[in-house]
Amino acid sequence: QVQLVESGGGVVQPGRSLRLSCAASGFTFSSYAMHWVRQAPGKGLEWVAVISYDGSNKYYADSVKGRFTISRDNSKNTLYLQMNSLRAEDTAVYYCARDLIFCSSTSCYSGYAFDIWGQGTMVTVSS
Amino acid sequence: EIVLTQSPGTLSLSPGERATLSCRASQSVSSSYLAWYQQKPGQAPRLLIYGASSRATGIPDRFSGSGSGTDFTLTISRLEPEDFAVYYCQQYGSSSWTFGQGTKVEIK
Repeated sequence: QVQLVESGGGVVQPGRSLRLSCAASGFTFSSYAMHWVRQAPGKGLEWVAVISYDGSNKYYADSVKGRFTISRDNSKNTLYLQMNSLRAEDTAVYYCARDLIFCSSTSCYSGYAFDIWGQGTMVTVSS
Repeated sequence: EIVLTQSPGTLSLSPGERATLSCRASQSVSSSYLAWYQQKPGQAPRLLIYGASSRATGIPDRFSGSGSGTDFTLTISRLEPEDFAVYYCQQYGSSSWTFGQGTKVEIK
């Protein structure tokens, strides 16, 4: 079935780095843009980054711009998030999510919403 | 950046009742880019509605979305026990996505 499985979370000291992975299965990974979304403990959802289906376009939330890098390996059906210069406020559950594609009788559209989510991986930034 | 404000913060209702959740944007949002999600404790969010009013695959028809411009609504016509959860609205604009702060629907 369609599935996203995150890994790579853990406890890390402020200023250090961590790389998250998201393994996709059950769909044609290379056809979809992919996102990272995070949720701090007891808080709401915050979009983090997006990468286009072929990796040519990437966008970031202002809160992580210059520190985080999103990438993908379509040959491995895997999405990544490289997180550098981590701060306490980066503590959160990190979800990968698939960009929704839907089609009318004439055209297909994307960028509207996130239709498949992983179970999340917890990142704790603490000394 | 467009800010989404959801109200109320918490909605206390009984099973079988109708739930009406509001999402107000700080500036006009294209209806095509407004979505709603449900999240239960310890679980990932689930897409309910996209394009302001289109139900995602497998979503029961008791969930409906409406609205345009700056005011959007998620309606649950008759609450089932499994509908008690937190609901988020979300919008897309200028290569950025933002979420509302959430509305918790709790059992009265």
